Formats: sequence, C-alpha cells, structure tokens
Amino acid sequence: IAGITQAPTSQILAAGRRMTLRCTQDMRHNAMYWYRQDLGLGLRLIHYSNTAGTTGKGEVPDGYSVSRANTDDFPLTLASAVPSQTSVYFCASSENVNSGANVLTFGAGSRLTVL
Amino acid sequence: RKEVEQDPGPFNVPEGATVAFNCTYSNSASQSFFWYRQDCRKEPKLLMSVYSSGNEDGRFTAQLNRASQYISLLIRDSKLSDSATYLCVVNAHMDTGRRALTFGSGTRLQVQP
Repeated sequence: IAGITQAPTSQILAAGRRMTLRCTQDMRHNAMYWYRQDLGLGLRLIHYSNTAGTTGKGEVPDGYSVSRANTDDFPLTLASAVPSQTSVYFCASSENVNSGANVLTFGAGSRLTVL
Repeated sequence: RKEVEQDPGPFNVPEGATVAFNCTYSNSASQSFFWYRQDCRKEPKLLMSVYSSGNEDGRFTAQLNRASQYISLLIRDSKLSDSATYLCVVNAHMDTGRRALTFGSGTRLQVQP
C-alpha cells in the first residue's frame, strides 16, 4: 500500500543524545515535511523540502536538521536532544508544495520522549 | 493571536445529533482551506477541502466565509465513528512567496450512544 513509513514508532531518549527519525514515502511526491504535535499547540512545521536536494526551515526549526538526498527519504535529526523536544513527530508529503490543493499524506507518527 | 483558532471542545453529542464546528483564520491572503480528521494516537487524514461556494460530502458540509475569515464544518446524523479530533487547516502565500499550511489545534468530538 502506497504511503509514508516512519521509524521508530516510539523512542525514549536521554537528554544530550543524537537521534534520527526516519521517513520514507513511495508515492513519488516532490514535497515532504516534518511536523511536531504538542497538546494545545496543534501541528507545527519543523522543516520542509520542496524537492530532492532542497530543504527549508519551518516554524520551529531550532535543534533539528533534515536532509533530502533523494525523492523518497527525508530523515529528521536531533543533534543533542532536550526534554522540550518530547513530542509526537509526523512526517508528511504532498505532490507539490506550491500547488493550490496541497493535500498532505501523513505517516503514522513517531512518539519521542526525552528524559 | 493564533493564525488559526478553533474551540478545543470537547463537544459531547448523542448519536444522531447535528454538530457544527467553526474555525477562524487571521491571514486574509489565505487561499485554500481544509478539514482533517485525527483519531486518537493516529495521524491526521484529509476529511474534505473547503470550497468558496461551500461543499457537501454525505453527512458532512463545509462552508467558507471569506469576509469574516472563518470556515465551518457541519456533521449531520452523528455516528459513534465520528468521534475524533477535527483539524482546521489553512493554506496561504507567505512573504517568502512559499505557500504554507497552518493547522489549528483541533476540536474534539465525542459522540455518545
């Protein structure tokens, strides 16, 4: 079934550790996104990528980095995790970032707890 | 003020009831509007797009009021399976020229037997 795969599903991490959340899509979508979801704050955009080889900063990029080496993969890295990065992380994709419809398909999410 | 605001609820309604949610947005340049549904501990999924003339999909009706900058979602004949959080999503051109989706924090609906 076409869609987005995220890994890990959940992770408990010690503060200061490095962590990479993986995201792979098989829909050949050009645009990919990373959001974090926190209670009462909704989904907030961390980083995005319009197409392979390009990335951009979203609303809350500090402490996170991304890369887009190819169309399918869009990993999110926390270089040195802090407790405030405890959240549910969703990867998403859309055909094109600047299309009027811009419907997002989401992965199942990665629940990260930083202690 | 948040760019997209929703009443968090919860809205507790009996089966068969009609329920309506509103969502207000602050960016007058917003061009596309959507409702997503999110079940507990699951990912958001598109419920429906919202068109200027309003649109209906079965028991669901979405409307847009550009003058007052709000969109609404009406659910008729509520089912237990409608219990979820409904996210209002607005797409606008930013100063950078890029379009950006902004999500509301969601309205929780609980349909009771």
